[in-house]
Amino acid sequence: GNSVTQMEGPVTLSEEAFLTINCTYTATGYPSLFWYVQYPGEGLQLLLKATKADDKGSNKGFEATYRKETTSFHLEKGSVQVSDSAVYFCALSPNSGSARQLTFGSGTQLTVLP
Amino acid sequence: ETGVTQSPTHLIKTRGQQVTLRCSSQSGHNTVSWYQQALGQGPQFIFQYYREEENGRGNFPPRFSGLQFPNYSSELNVNALELDDSALYLCASSLEPLASSTDTQYFGPGTRLTVL
Repeated sequence: GNSVTQMEGPVTLSEEAFLTINCTYTATGYPSLFWYVQYPGEGLQLLLKATKADDKGSNKGFEATYRKETTSFHLEKGSVQVSDSAVYFCALSPNSGSARQLTFGSGTQLTVLP
Repeated sequence: ETGVTQSPTHLIKTRGQQVTLRCSSQSGHNTVSWYQQALGQGPQFIFQYYREEENGRGNFPPRFSGLQFPNYSSELNVNALELDDSALYLCASSLEPLASSTDTQYFGPGTRLTVL
């Protein structure tokens, strides 16, 4: 079946530090890949996505590149801010089947200190 | 454009009781998916409704059931509650069941269910 593995947290960084959160996946075929963010007490918000190999998703300074050869979709940001503190989830959706439901990783808690 | 809304925000039940959670999808969306998020975990897919029919189901027992109404709002019903059902229940809506690369699921804020 499909699965997503994220680097274990929590991750604590100082403001303006470089961020990488690793994500690898197992899936049949070529799924679409997503990063969602969850702020305290809130639901999930889509941060970025990529739908085919070598695509780069980007939003709000965050980037992730769909690497088919390493089955990875690592999240990066060059300079984090305190407001980026949240839980980040990597997810995939198959490109076949009727429901195409999201399969999530276990999440990575990011805390950015001023 | 109205986003996805869920009610209630919080709920406390005792083991063996039944609960109904509600979700209003984003305007124009005809597909609703439900997810269970246990504390410290990623969301797990429960089921999806598309045009009032169940369109897929995750690894959840039959005591988890759902409905979708003609206005595309949805309910999640859980019978015979167990302690392990304590979780954040998330509803997500989309225009279609992610049929194209441009489709996205939009999530509501969730309902926090506590089973005592």
